[in-house]
Amino acid sequence: NAGVMQNPRHLVRRRGQEARLRCSPMKGHSHVYWYRQLPEEGLKFMVYLQKENIIDESGMPKERFSAEFPKEGPSILRIQQVVRGDSAAYFCASTLGGPSTGELFFGEGSRLTVL
Amino acid sequence: AQSVAQPEDQVNVAEGNPLTVKCTYSVSGNPYLFWYVQYPNRGLQFLLKYITGDNLVKGSYGFEAEFNKSQTSFHLKKPSALVSDSALYFCAVRVGISSGSARQLTFGSGTQLTVLP
Repeated sequence: NAGVMQNPRHLVRRRGQEARLRCSPMKGHSHVYWYRQLPEEGLKFMVYLQKENIIDESGMPKERFSAEFPKEGPSILRIQQVVRGDSAAYFCASTLGGPSTGELFFGEGSRLTVL
Repeated sequence: AQSVAQPEDQVNVAEGNPLTVKCTYSVSGNPYLFWYVQYPNRGLQFLLKYITGDNLVKGSYGFEAEFNKSQTSFHLKKPSALVSDSALYFCAVRVGISSGSARQLTFGSGTQLTVLP
């Protein structure tokens, strides 16, 4: 049973370009969370999605960032017009159900470098 | 609001000695508490959790943690450290569903554990 799959693992973009990060949750999981980890810092919550719905986006920057989790296919975190401050590791996690006592299962992360 | 504090950025212990990684939390309701470990350039791996019941929770790789409600702490412990335990450790909290609306885990800033041979 494959775990949470994220791609690309590493992504390099120049300022002003777009970054798209993909996350396929564990099989059977329908809840996805995105977290950002800046160098030397902990993980910061960005957004929580279920299939076709954004449940909580309280951690998302108001501009340039968006996320989706379509009925078919992976969840996508999209960053438009990237800036150097967007350089970070972006982690996706999934759970079987919604907020519950269960732990999150994390992917290996996508490391974005903005030149 | 919910928050987690890991007061030590770095913990060094000798192999074979007991280790403790500290965590305190703040929530307005019943806490669900978690410990995760992160190896370099990897994702987070779940170690253990406290939801309810026995205050001493046992988890993966010989780790355990003790929930202390009066001190709002959830320190991670291991009786005998291994060099392979060297990694970054994160404490996390979520408020219980019946107590609040926060859906996401809130993580501490992490503690780098180094076990010296």
